Amino acid sequence: DSGVTQTPKHLITATGQRVTLRCSPRSGDLSVYWYQQSLDQGLQFLIQYYNGEERAKGNILERFSAQQFPDLHSELNLSSLELGDSALYFCASSPRDRRSYEQYFGPGTRLTVT
Amino acid sequence: TQLLEQSPQFLSIQEGENLTVYCNSSSVFSSLQWYRQEPGEGPVLLVTVVTGGEVKKLKRLTFQFGDARKDSSLHITAAQPGDTGLYLCAGPTNTGNQFYFGTGTSLTVIP
Repeated sequence: DSGVTQTPKHLITATGQRVTLRCSPRSGDLSVYWYQQSLDQGLQFLIQYYNGEERAKGNILERFSAQQFPDLHSELNLSSLELGDSALYFCASSPRDRRSYEQYFGPGTRLTVT
Repeated sequence: TQLLEQSPQFLSIQEGENLTVYCNSSSVFSSLQWYRQEPGEGPVLLVTVVTGGEVKKLKRLTFQFGDARKDSSLHITAAQPGDTGLYLCAGPTNTGNQFYFGTGTSLTVIP
């Protein structure tokens, strides 16, 4: 158990809908990262927050957005969902801002868009 | 094209055999990490290598960071069924603002 929690574990929704994925980092960790993992693209970095501020952006679509709240939990919002958005979404946390430090991953949310 | 290419993509070996997984890039990385992921679960950090030429050992696993910090390798001695999983290298580039994961090596150790 990494100490990172993600909810929900599974999510099934229809195209065009909007969903929110939630992540609670390990106690004391200030950085939260979001990743998307699909069979054809592998694990792709989406976005990083540190203590409430956006720190780095990866291959995140404009239909996706995220935020980190004062209590350090984070949410990833996915809107106008398409079939291709079906994937595993992971959240990871780290105690530091620098991306050279180790990240601890949550169990993931499996999103299925039908 | 992925920034971090791993080889082989798939590896199936008998218990007790040795193996090496490679992680290569044309970019310089400030550090590289290795993770192992089991189906349906998040990656679990195994090690971080920071210095060019660094070698780290974790029981039967040996990790090496290339001198130029563009490549890394993972060597497993006397593989066991519990080593089965997806091995991923990952890290931030020296100049970039992103964190990259490798293409992955799926290892199966047959008892």
